Amino acid sequence: QKEVEQDPGPLSVPEGAIVSLNCTYSNSAFQYFMWYRQYSRKGPELLMYTYSSGNKEDGRFTAQVDKSSKYISLFIRDSQPSDSATYLCAMRHSGNTPLVFGKGTRLSVIA
Amino acid sequence: GAVVSQHPSRVICKSGTSVKIECRSLDFQATTMFWYRQFPKQSLMLMATSNEGSKATYEQGVEKDKFLINHASLTLSTLTVTSAHPEDSSFYICSAVNTGFDYGYTFGSGTRLTVV
Repeated sequence: QKEVEQDPGPLSVPEGAIVSLNCTYSNSAFQYFMWYRQYSRKGPELLMYTYSSGNKEDGRFTAQVDKSSKYISLFIRDSQPSDSATYLCAMRHSGNTPLVFGKGTRLSVIA
Repeated sequence: GAVVSQHPSRVICKSGTSVKIECRSLDFQATTMFWYRQFPKQSLMLMATSNEGSKATYEQGVEKDKFLINHASLTLSTLTVTSAHPEDSSFYICSAVNTGFDYGYTFGSGTRLTVV
């Protein structure tokens, strides 16, 4: 079993739809959870960062962490064509430890 | 915000030659940098961890004599791909730890290496 599982998609939705992305993980020692957006041939861009279980909202984006279920989610409201990208979940232990990434979900928002 | 400048963005080199990739943290000091490799439609795979002033730690299966990492200052880390082969063609990305913040790390924009 991989440490972080993420459905690679692709996922195609109409403009304005609510998008739900998620990852599961196996290592309960992970403490920090991130979502990155990556456009083709570019470096990942941090979207959301959470430390504890619960919800965090930033504009159209909401991140959820459920440590008891080892499950994290990212919701995108009112999706736009510019949201079309690959979304990567990532997580790490405490300290200066490397991120462990999911495989990434390719999202297309159709106008 | 924290910015990591990565150069070059794209490079084509001949088999057997060496290529150096630079990552600079522009507005913060990066005590630790991570180097990743990403193949098409794949996720980022950690290659090595570099700490300023010490030898890099390589992941299992990554040849340290082939992928030379130098982290000589708090703002600069370099990855040199030596004696490049076509199978080294990939997207290489650095990620810097900003000790001033405890959130997700800052990534460079990536280097697409093509070995012909």
